[in-house]
Amino acid sequence: KNEVEQSPQNLTAQEGEFITINCSYSVGISALHWLQQHPGGGIVSLFMLSSGKKKHGRLIATINIQEKHSSLHITASHPRDSAVYICAVDRGSTLGRLYFGRGTQLTVWP
Amino acid sequence: NAGVMQNPRHLVRRRGQEARLRCSPMKGHSHVYWYRQLPEEGLKFMVYLQKENIIDESGMPKERFSAEFPKEGPSILRIQQVVRGDSAAYFCASSPGTPPETQYFGPGTRLLVL
Repeated sequence: KNEVEQSPQNLTAQEGEFITINCSYSVGISALHWLQQHPGGGIVSLFMLSSGKKKHGRLIATINIQEKHSSLHITASHPRDSAVYICAVDRGSTLGRLYFGRGTQLTVWP
Repeated sequence: NAGVMQNPRHLVRRRGQEARLRCSPMKGHSHVYWYRQLPEEGLKFMVYLQKENIIDESGMPKERFSAEFPKEGPSILRIQQVVRGDSAAYFCASSPGTPPETQYFGPGTRLLVL
């Protein structure tokens, strides 16, 4: 069983919809990362968080340490948000090694 | 400030040849991570290096794979005697300090073994 599970695996939305992607993990962590992988393959770090909530533009990431769960929200989704969103955890004891979820493929239609 | 650079972006090798993948971290970053993404699979950690030191290589296959990050120059991931199963995207990431830190990813090298 993977240490990091994401849902849904695939997500299709209409432009303007509110999007939620979920990430659950089964190990102790020092931080959780949300990454975006573009259709061309490049990877961008969106958030790193260890508690609470962070916001950047239309993106919001939350984490509940007690429940070992994080969510990534996209408000007013746009076709350019279409990408794979990846959750990854840093277990702290493993010196920065990240454990990745399988990713959520998001497609936003105009 | 240039981002993380990787070259080549695409590399084609025949079985049995060597592949050398290079990664130049962001300016001021002394921590480098290599990850592999096999076709239709998620990213997997391979190795974590600081200048002149391998900190964690627990994700590296035991044979044919090696990595270095010399005092001067880029980090190198070397794959000897490549096999078809080595075909994948190899990503390098860098961070400025001790984890947990945001990791900045390079564009990746797509290796195809014929």
